Amino acid sequence: QVQLVQSGAEVKKPGASVKVSCKSSGYTFTDYYIHWVRQAPGQGLEWMGRINPNIGVTNYAQKFQGRVSMTRDTSITTAYMELSGLVSDDTAVYYCARDESTSGWLHHWGQGALVTVSS
Amino acid sequence: DIQMTQSPSSLSASVGDRVTITCRASQTITNYLNWYQQKPGKAPKLLIYSASSLQSGVPSRFSGSGSGTDFTLIISSLQPEDFAAYYCHQTYMVPYTFGQGTKLEIK
Repeated sequence: QVQLVQSGAEVKKPGASVKVSCKSSGYTFTDYYIHWVRQAPGQGLEWMGRINPNIGVTNYAQKFQGRVSMTRDTSITTAYMELSGLVSDDTAVYYCARDESTSGWLHHWGQGALVTVSS
Repeated sequence: DIQMTQSPSSLSASVGDRVTITCRASQTITNYLNWYQQKPGKAPKLLIYSASSLQSGVPSRFSGSGSGTDFTLIISSLQPEDFAAYYCHQTYMVPYTFGQGTKLEIK
């Protein structure tokens, strides 16, 4: 069965960077986009971007342009999301999710990784 | 970017009630609209994709409709496990965007 397993919780200081991993299994990794969605405490869902694991092409939300980098390592079927220049408003649960088709709906989700930014 | 406006932002209802949540897009998204349910501390769960297609395993009391800019999620008879947050999500054009969410609470 499809599984997305994310790395654990992180605590970072303002100005630092964080890199969250998303290990995929149960399907052909290069066949489906991986998306990243975050959720600040008590807030809604925010789409950050996606990566095509086959060719590495990315699309980012403009809000994160210049600060986010989504990459993948096909040899270990793992996607990564790195966010730099962290501020307290970046405190959130970061989810990876796999889309189901070219229509983009997100059927499979990781368990989420809490990133806390605090001095 | 396409803005998704969901209403209401919160809703109190009773078991057995029929509930309607709406989502409006700032431009046409044809039928590239999906609905998710999220319970506290859990990842979102896909309920409806392509505006009206019920995800496998989701109870038939959930239904979706709409096209273009206006969409609706209906829960025909609320069950105790349905009290959660609901989000619409457009996948017509990147950046994909979510509605702000509807928190469904027990009356």
